[in-house]
Amino acid sequence: DGGITQSPKYLFRKEGQNVTLSCEQNLNHDAMYWYRQDPGQGLRLIYYSQIVNDFQKGDIAEGYSVSREKKESFPLTVTSAQKNPTAFYLCASRRTSGRGGELFFGEGSRLTVL
Amino acid sequence: ELKVEQNPLFLSMQEGKNYTIYCNYSTTSDRLYWYRQDPGKSLESLFVLLSNGAVKQEGRLMASLDTKARLSTLHITAAVHDLSATYFCAVDGTAGGTSYGKLTFGQGTILTVHP
Repeated sequence: DGGITQSPKYLFRKEGQNVTLSCEQNLNHDAMYWYRQDPGQGLRLIYYSQIVNDFQKGDIAEGYSVSREKKESFPLTVTSAQKNPTAFYLCASRRTSGRGGELFFGEGSRLTVL
Repeated sequence: ELKVEQNPLFLSMQEGKNYTIYCNYSTTSDRLYWYRQDPGKSLESLFVLLSNGAVKQEGRLMASLDTKARLSTLHITAAVHDLSATYFCAVDGTAGGTSYGKLTFGQGTILTVHP
């Protein structure tokens, strides 16, 4: 079955540590995205990538980094510079051909900083 | 800066009743999406609206888009308990031209359907 796999599902981190969240898709989508969701709020865009080896900052990129070395993979690193990293992180992908392809989301990774 | 506002943010309904969730946005766009999220889960795509006057229906849910008023509605008909979830609208700030899929989300509407 085609889909988006995020891991880990739950992650605990001590302050000052970097953590990397994995996102893999087998939908053959060119574009991939990382969103952050805080309790009771909508999603906010962290980074996005339209093609391999290229990515752009979203609205809240500070304290995060990404890479896009393969079409299928778009890992997100939450660095120690991120002031308030506890949140639910969602990875998404979409086709870029045609018009208006919606985002398909993974199951999410819940990060808690202790 | 594109802003997307939903109302109401909380909606408690009785089974069998009808209601509408509203999604207003601040800049021109002709691409709007509705998603559903169950507690602790990911987002599921419900509707894709790509033109003025677009109307889509699936079961007890119907979504519409008025790009001139910058307004989308999600209408619930004869609500059932299974519809309890959080509903998000999301707007692509690109009007015509190439979209990068950068969606701006509303705050979400938490819908609870009571027997």
